[in-house]
Amino acid sequence: KNEVEQSPQNLTAQEGEFITINCSYSVGISALHWLQQHPGGGIVSLFMLSSGKKKHGRLIATINIQEKHSSLHITASHPRDSAVYICAVRSWDTDKLIFGTGTRLQVFP
Amino acid sequence: GAVVSQHPSRVICKSGTSVKIECRSLDFQATTMFWYRQFPKKSLMLMATSNEGSKATYEQGVEKDKFLINHASLTLSTLTVTSAHPEDSSFYICSAREGTSGDYEQYFGPGTRLTVT
Repeated sequence: KNEVEQSPQNLTAQEGEFITINCSYSVGISALHWLQQHPGGGIVSLFMLSSGKKKHGRLIATINIQEKHSSLHITASHPRDSAVYICAVRSWDTDKLIFGTGTRLQVFP
Repeated sequence: GAVVSQHPSRVICKSGTSVKIECRSLDFQATTMFWYRQFPKKSLMLMATSNEGSKATYEQGVEKDKFLINHASLTLSTLTVTSAHPEDSSFYICSAREGTSGDYEQYFGPGTRLTVT
């Protein structure tokens, strides 16, 4: 079992839909990151969380430390949101990022 | 937000030659830099971690003589793939953070696609 599990692996949506991507982890962490990777590769850091909730524009990220779970929400999705979304946790033990396998999102007009 | 740049974005080289990839933090001092490798449709794999002025710490299975890392200043780290072979073809991504602890945000570069022919 991977230390960081994301669901779903693939997600398609119509423009305007509300989207949720989930991340569960099994290790002790100091922080959790949500990253976005577009085709072509470049990675953008969306959020770094250690507790609670953060919001940036149409993106919302939440984390429940007790349940070892985080969610990334996209409100009013748009085709430009199409990308791979990656959850990564910073291990308390090793101080290294452990990456989930990513969720491939496609938003159709 | 903070910006990390990489150069070149794409490089094609012949087998046996060496290739240098630069990673720069543009608006912050990167105490710690990370080099990752990503295979198609796979997660990032950490190759090495470097702190400014120190030797890089390589992950198990990564040949330090093959992948030379230099973190000579607080804004620049380089990865040199020596005597490149087709199996070194991959997407290489650098990442940087301002401090040495995990409390600091980690920023990613746009990546360099290396193709060895």
